[in-house]
Amino acid sequence: QAVLTQPSSLSASPGASASLTCTLRSGINVGTYRIYWYQQKPGSPPQYLLRYKSDSDKQQGSGVPSRFSGSKDASANAGILLISGLQSEDEADYYCMIWHSSAYWVFGGGTKLTVL
Amino acid sequence: EVQLVESGGGLVQPGGSLRLSCAASGFTFSSYEMNWVRQAPGKGLEWVSYISSSGSTIYYADSVKGRFTISRDNAKNSLYLQMNSLRAEDTAVYYCAREGDCGGDCNFDYWGQGTLVTVSS
Repeated sequence: QAVLTQPSSLSASPGASASLTCTLRSGINVGTYRIYWYQQKPGSPPQYLLRYKSDSDKQQGSGVPSRFSGSKDASANAGILLISGLQSEDEADYYCMIWHSSAYWVFGGGTKLTVL
Repeated sequence: EVQLVESGGGLVQPGGSLRLSCAASGFTFSSYEMNWVRQAPGKGLEWVSYISSSGSTIYYADSVKGRFTISRDNAKNSLYLQMNSLRAEDTAVYYCAREGDCGGDCNFDYWGQGTLVTVSS
């Protein structure tokens, strides 16, 4: 079972909100980890969006709109990237990442967000 | 302006070797931890290797351990990845990425544009 699992795709309408999940493997407690989120558009390297561990340990990437926010769902053992007021330019691949002591840096498989 | 520029990619036969370089500028290279991340065509991101600012601590993904070697030359503001015993599954765009400084683990705040490595006969 992968350390981080993301749905492969998600579709949402312009102006709506999209909730992208990053589920941690059973036995790895989401509450312990900083979860990092990246956006990648075709032909470009990933760009850092934000970090979320808790309301007291979070960081917005430089220049990243407040429409992008992070949270956690402890009951689902998942990190969440919420994008509100979706715009066509938000169409991209989104990756979560954590530092795990036995596997070091780990990326989720990525979610392709389509805005239509 | 922070810049990371990778070079050294290309076509190599299975079992061959390649050395990637990442030239850093616009920041105090010796103060930052660095990483290599790769992305196979049409696939997701895969972390490859980490090196501390001094070079004293190094980690590898299991998929490359024993075949790849990360190193750095702080005097030359450069990061390297020596790749040996290359396999078809190593085919990917390889990015170097700077790890930010935020206490504990930190985000990759700057990425290079990547260099393509193709392993094929």
